[in-house]
Formats: sequence, C-alpha cells, structure tokens
Amino acid sequence: EAGVAQSPRYKIIEKRQSVAFWCNPISGHATLYWYQQILGQGPKLLIQFQNNGVVDDSQLPKDRFSAERLKGVDSTLKIQPAKLEDSAVYLCASSLTRGGTDTQYFGPGTRLTVL
Amino acid sequence: TQLLEQSPQFLSIQEGENLTVYCNSSSVFSSLQWYRQEPGEGPVLLVTVVTGGEVKKLKRLTFQFGDARKDSSLHITAAQPGDTGLYLCAGGPQAGTALIFGKGTTLSVSS
Repeated sequence: EAGVAQSPRYKIIEKRQSVAFWCNPISGHATLYWYQQILGQGPKLLIQFQNNGVVDDSQLPKDRFSAERLKGVDSTLKIQPAKLEDSAVYLCASSLTRGGTDTQYFGPGTRLTVL
Repeated sequence: TQLLEQSPQFLSIQEGENLTVYCNSSSVFSSLQWYRQEPGEGPVLLVTVVTGGEVKKLKRLTFQFGDARKDSSLHITAAQPGDTGLYLCAGGPQAGTALIFGKGTTLSVSS
C-alpha cells in the first residue's frame, strides 16, 4: 500500500513570494490533515478536511494561507505572501475516518525555508 | 487551550541504559498516541492508549496511560542506537478531533 505522498520535499523562497505544496493521501482515506512543524516543536494542525469539506481550520492564518481538497482526494496548501516565520516542515497526514483513535499516517513533509 | 508538556526535551544516553519520557496535561484526553520521528521523515505511530491505567508493551518499549487520562509515559529498556529519534506524544481531546502534539523529546543513544 502506497503511503502519503508530498511534493516538493524541499523549497527555498524569498519572503513575500508565494509557494504551494501538494499532498496525495493514502487511497480511500477520507480525512486529510496539514500540520506545520517548526524546528524543535511538535506538529501543529493547520487544517483538517473530511472528504472535500473543511472540518477545522481554526489555526490556519487565513490572511496568507489557503488550502483546498476539491475532489476529496489530493490537496494543495498555499502560502501567499510568505514570511520568515513560515520556515518550517509542512506535514500532510491522512486517516481512514474521523475517529479519535484512527491512525494518522504522515507523509515525509516539505521543508520550507524563507529567506 | 489543551496543552501537552513533554519532558525531558533532550536526552543523551549510552547503549544499554533505561529511560523514561513523560507527557503531561491538565486536561483529559480520550486517547493518547506516541510517535517516533526520524530526521527528514514524518512521524510514525508507535502506540495508541485509550483506557485510563492502560499499559502497552512493544518489544523494549512500555507505554502507560494515567488513571485520569491526563498523562502518559514511555519507558525504553536497554536502549539501542536505533532508538535514536524524536518521540512525540499526541492527544485526541475528543473522538473525531485532530491531535494535539507535545513538543517532543529528542533521544540520542550512543554505542
């Protein structure tokens, strides 16, 4: 079974530029998550999708971050414009359902450096 | 806001030593999970505990969920260099909600 795929793996941009990350979850997984992991910290949820609907985006900085999962499968996270403090690893995860004990499977992440 | 505090933040030990990592909160969680993350990779689930007082063993790793479901511990017996990594605890406040992660414990085991 293929895991969660993410691309690109690394991205370096200048501040005020825009960037987009792509995630393809495990086939059949209804729930998709985007997390931000700053160096030295645990992952922090940015947005949670159930199929193509948003379940929780309370911690997403909506003035600069946006995400979509139009067909309920793969997802894109965008930052526009980027700030220095956005430098982090962006992790995508998926789970079969929204169950509280459902295993979340993580992708390898995209490491973003904003100069 | 529910928080998970992990301690210690860093741990550097010799091969063969035992260690315990703690995860504490003032809030009750419906479930608690432990993950291990290696550099350049996403976290990988080690175990999920859901019942207060529950103890689970995974080879040399022992996980315990506190009776009140507010804290958890991870004990590693006879650590090996392959155990090196970032250990994260994550709590599910309610079924169906996203996980809240602690800051992690970076473990380094040298031979």
